[in-house]
Amino acid sequence: AQSVTQLGSHVSVSEGALVLLRCNYSSSVPPYLFWYVQYPNQGLQLLLKYTSAATLVKGINGFEAEFKKSETSFHLTKPSAHMSDAAEYFCAVSDIRDSGYSTLTFGKGTMLLVSP
Amino acid sequence: KAGVTQTPRYLIKTRGQQVTLSCSPISGHRSVSWYQQTPGQGLQFLFEYFSETQRNKGNFPGRFSGRQFSNSRSEMNVSTLELGDSALYLCASSTRQADTQYFGPGTRLTVL
Repeated sequence: AQSVTQLGSHVSVSEGALVLLRCNYSSSVPPYLFWYVQYPNQGLQLLLKYTSAATLVKGINGFEAEFKKSETSFHLTKPSAHMSDAAEYFCAVSDIRDSGYSTLTFGKGTMLLVSP
Repeated sequence: KAGVTQTPRYLIKTRGQQVTLSCSPISGHRSVSWYQQTPGQGLQFLFEYFSETQRNKGNFPGRFSGRQFSNSRSEMNVSTLELGDSALYLCASSTRQADTQYFGPGTRLTVL
């Protein structure tokens, strides 16, 4: 089974600073990778996904992520944080189950705190 | 196009009762997945349905069950509720199996 590790349960940045949220995955096959964001009392919203095309993936709200196979990483970045970016972020990998069908395995999440 | 809808949004039940949660996927989506989200365990996969057939099942006891109807709407049922079942239950839909999943707002279940 695949797994996802998100380093840091909480990350704090100042408004305007670089955002870097780390995600490492384990996968025995070329993976599909996703980043989702969750605002309080809401469901998950897709930020971006990697499906073996370009290694640098651009998403919504100015976020992007780079797939690095040699490092098994898919870190999420944004050049300049905004107060509205404060939320919990989840990295996920497609996972082939015993049934032969795939589903998503999520990391534990990283709470992004943005201070003025 | 309307997003994934889940009803009800909030539920309060007592131990031993049973509960049914409903999910309506995005129009045209045939795959529906369910997840349980708790502060301690994070997001855990419950099961996935595609064309009314359960394709995948997570590591949850048999008290958790689900089904999908011919219009792709899905329900999940939890019988004999326990305090530990208190969680946010999220439904996600996709056009086909293994495609990008789009999530609903969730149902917040509180078991007293």
